[in-house]
Amino acid sequence: AQTVTQSQPEMSVQEAETVTLSCTYDTSESNYYLFWYKQPPSRQMILVIRQEAYKQQNATENRFSVNFQKAAKSFSLKISDSQLGDTAMYFCAFMKTETSYDKVIFGPGTSLSVIP
Amino acid sequence: DGGITQSPKYLFRKEGQNVTLSCEQNLNHDAMYWYRQDPGQGLRLIYYSQIVNDFQKGDIAEGYSVSREKKESFPLTVTSAQKNPTAFYLCASRGRVHRSEKLFFGSGTQLSVL
Repeated sequence: AQTVTQSQPEMSVQEAETVTLSCTYDTSESNYYLFWYKQPPSRQMILVIRQEAYKQQNATENRFSVNFQKAAKSFSLKISDSQLGDTAMYFCAFMKTETSYDKVIFGPGTSLSVIP
Repeated sequence: DGGITQSPKYLFRKEGQNVTLSCEQNLNHDAMYWYRQDPGQGLRLIYYSQIVNDFQKGDIAEGYSVSREKKESFPLTVTSAQKNPTAFYLCASRGRVHRSEKLFFGSGTQLSVL
């Protein structure tokens, strides 16, 4: 069974600085998707970035980038130039590819606070 | 606009009562999911459905029931057997955007016990 672990329950970062959130996962699958979702105080789930396991290139979305290490089963999120609006819970998630509409597993989350 | 609609936004349950949370999507997605979120915690999978008239238990299905009679709808019933139902409930569907899959979420239902 797949599992997703986020070892940092809480983190803080100064505005305009860079922060990295960690995620590790366990699977025997060779192809899959990994996601980072953001949940601000409104509790709406917002997709931040996604990575397909067969792609070696790390995904980037503006100030957000990932460091995907497939062999180590590691998927960290780097937020550059942190902004106050980045304050939220961040969840790492694992999804098998579309060959199987199976469970989508979330990690326990990291609460990120951006300090002015 | 296409999306997922959850209702109601807030729901109160009396002891011994069953309550049903609604989840509707117009995205034409086959797979749908129900998650429970406790304060400051992650998302735990209750039930999921891969196709109409089929669903599977997730990690915390006890005290909950679902149905999937239509592709658009995946209601969740919180039964009286669920002794600690106070939580935030999120519904999601799975679909493709720009040749890549993702989960689309509703805005959630906060369930509280009176």
